[in-house]
Amino acid sequence: GQQVMQIPQYQHVQEGEDFTTYCNSSTTLSNIQWYKQRPGGHPVFLIQLVKSGEVKKQKRLTFQFGEAKKNSSLHITATQTTDVGTYFCAESSGTYKYIFGTGTRLKVLA
Amino acid sequence: NAGVTQTPKFQVLKTGQSMTLQCAQDMNHEYMSWYRQDPGMGLRLIHYSVGAGITDQGEVPNGYNVSRSTTEDFPLRLLSAAPSQTSVYFCASSSGQGKSPLHFGNGTRLTVT
Repeated sequence: GQQVMQIPQYQHVQEGEDFTTYCNSSTTLSNIQWYKQRPGGHPVFLIQLVKSGEVKKQKRLTFQFGEAKKNSSLHITATQTTDVGTYFCAESSGTYKYIFGTGTRLKVLA
Repeated sequence: NAGVTQTPKFQVLKTGQSMTLQCAQDMNHEYMSWYRQDPGMGLRLIHYSVGAGITDQGEVPNGYNVSRSTTEDFPLRLLSAAPSQTSVYFCASSSGQGKSPLHFGNGTRLTVT
C-alpha cells in the first residue's frame, strides 16, 4: 500500500541555520505535496511537485522531487522563528487517498 | 469563505459513549476526508468520500463510521468511544482527484476517559 517515510522526526536548529526534511517511498509517486502545521494549528498546503526532477522555490524554501519520483525534500535556507512547526509530505498516487508522512517537527532557537 | 468548519473544538467523552464530529465545507469540493493526529504518528487517514453517497475506508477505519448525504457535510461518528480514540481529528477537503491541495479544518481535540 501507499507509504511514505519522512526523516528526521525532530530537528532543532539555531536561527539562521539551514534545515532539510526528506520524504522517501519504496514505490514511484505520481505527485508529492508538502504541508506546514504551526503549533496548535492545522496543516496548510505549501506546494505540489509532479514532474521528475522538479525543483520549486518559495522565498527561502526549496522543494525537490527526485528523478525516480521516489523521494522528495524540503530545504529551508537561513531559518527564522516563523519557520517553527511540523512539515509533512503527502502523496496520493493519483488516487483519492492522500497518505501523509509522519512529519518533521522543526524548532528554531533564537 | 468559511472553508472547512469543524465542530466541536474540544470534547471529553467517557468510555462507551457515542458522539458525532461535524465537518462542513462551503467550497463545493467533491472530496472530503477525516484524519487523526497522534504524537509521532503523523496524520492517519480514517475515512474518505469522493462525492455524495460514496465513502471508503482509509488506513485506520475501525471504530468510526461516516456518511455523505450532501456535498457539504461529512460527519464522523464514534459509536462506542475508547481511550485509544483520544486524538486530534482533522477534516479536509479538496476539489480534485489526488492532485489538488487539501484544505483542513481547525481540528477537534477529543479526550476519552
